[in-house]
Order: sequence, then C-alpha cells, then structure tokens
Amino acid sequence: AQSVTQPDIHITVSEGASLELRCNYSYGATPYLFWYVQSPGQGLQLLLKYFSGDTLVQGIKGFEAEFKRSQSSFNLRKPSVHWSDAAEYFCAVHTGGFKTIFGAGTRLFVKA
Amino acid sequence: DAGVTQSPTHLIKTRGQQVTLRCSPKSGHDTVSWYQQALGQGPQFIFQYYEEEERQRGNFPDRFSGHQFPNYSSELNVNALLLGDSALYLCASSFSGQVGNEQFFGPGTRLTVL
Repeated sequence: AQSVTQPDIHITVSEGASLELRCNYSYGATPYLFWYVQSPGQGLQLLLKYFSGDTLVQGIKGFEAEFKRSQSSFNLRKPSVHWSDAAEYFCAVHTGGFKTIFGAGTRLFVKA
Repeated sequence: DAGVTQSPTHLIKTRGQQVTLRCSPKSGHDTVSWYQQALGQGPQFIFQYYEEEERQRGNFPDRFSGHQFPNYSSELNVNALLLGDSALYLCASSFSGQVGNEQFFGPGTRLTVL
C-alpha cells in the first residue's frame, strides 16, 4: 500500500539556520509529490510540487525540494529559516487515483 | 478569487447527533475532496466528488456521506456522531483537467463532539 513517512515529529532550528525536512514514500512508480504548510488552526497551503522533469523544484517562501528516485525521498529545504516559518509541514503523494496521501507532519520550531 | 471557503468555522455537537459541513471550491475548480485531520495527525482522505458523484472513498464508515451540487459546491454529512469524530475537517478543490490532483485547501471546520 502507498504510504508517506515523515521521520521527524518535530524539529527545532535557530533563526537564520538552514532547514531540511525529510519525506519518504512507498510506491512502485514515481508519484506526484507535494509539500504543504499549515499554521495553527488553519488549512494547508501548497509550498511546492513535483510532477516530472528537473528533480530540484522551487516553491514559495524560499523553499525548495529535491526528488531522489533511488531513495524514494522528497526532502524539503530552506537555506535560512525565518521565525515566521514556524508551522507544521506535510509531505503528500498522489499516486494516480483520486486520493492524496499525507504524512503525519513535522512541526517546525524556530528559536531566536 | 475567494479561494476555497468552508462553513461553519467551528461546531460543537453531542454524541449521536448529525452534522453538515459546507464547502465552496475555488473558482474554475470542479472537484471537491474532503479530509479529516485529527489532532497531531496528517489529513486523512474521506472521499472525492466529481460531476455530483462520489468517485473514490477512503477508509471511513457509511456514517460519512456527501453531496456535490451543480455549482460544484459540496457538503459533508456525518451521522451518529462519536467522540472520535472530533477533528478539523478540510475541504480541498481541484480541476479535473489538471494532472497530479493539485489541490487547494480551505481553512477547515473544527468539529468538537462532546
């Protein structure tokens, strides 16, 4: 069965430091991949997506993600974190049916 | 563009009651999906509606039902509420003609069952 794993429940980084959030998926072929961000009590906002082509994709708010087929991973990165980036981040995969499967999320804390 | 809108924002019900949540999709979108997000978890797919029909369902009981109207808006109905139904219910819309099911999410309805 398809699944998405986000190994880190929460991560704390200092403001200005770099960030990498991990995501691994289980699926036989290349899925459509997404990263969403959710502020407390809010809906989900799409940060970036990968459908095909260049494996390094750029998103909003200075985020990027790299698709690595050999590792079944789609890790999210940001070179310099801002305090406003504190939120919950969800990796998601769409495998060609009609539903999208989400990971359990990683809570990002940013310290001054 | 108003984006995806949901109503109500918050709702409190008691066990055994029934609830109806509403969603209006983003302009130009014709497909609506519903998700349940329990506290501390990722969204779980409930079902998707397209052309007023449910076309895929997640692992949710029949107590969860839905409807899509000709203007593409949608309702989620939950009967015989249980304490475990307390969650944030998210509506997401997409356009059927776009590959990858890129979805836009509403702010959600927070349902509390007492």
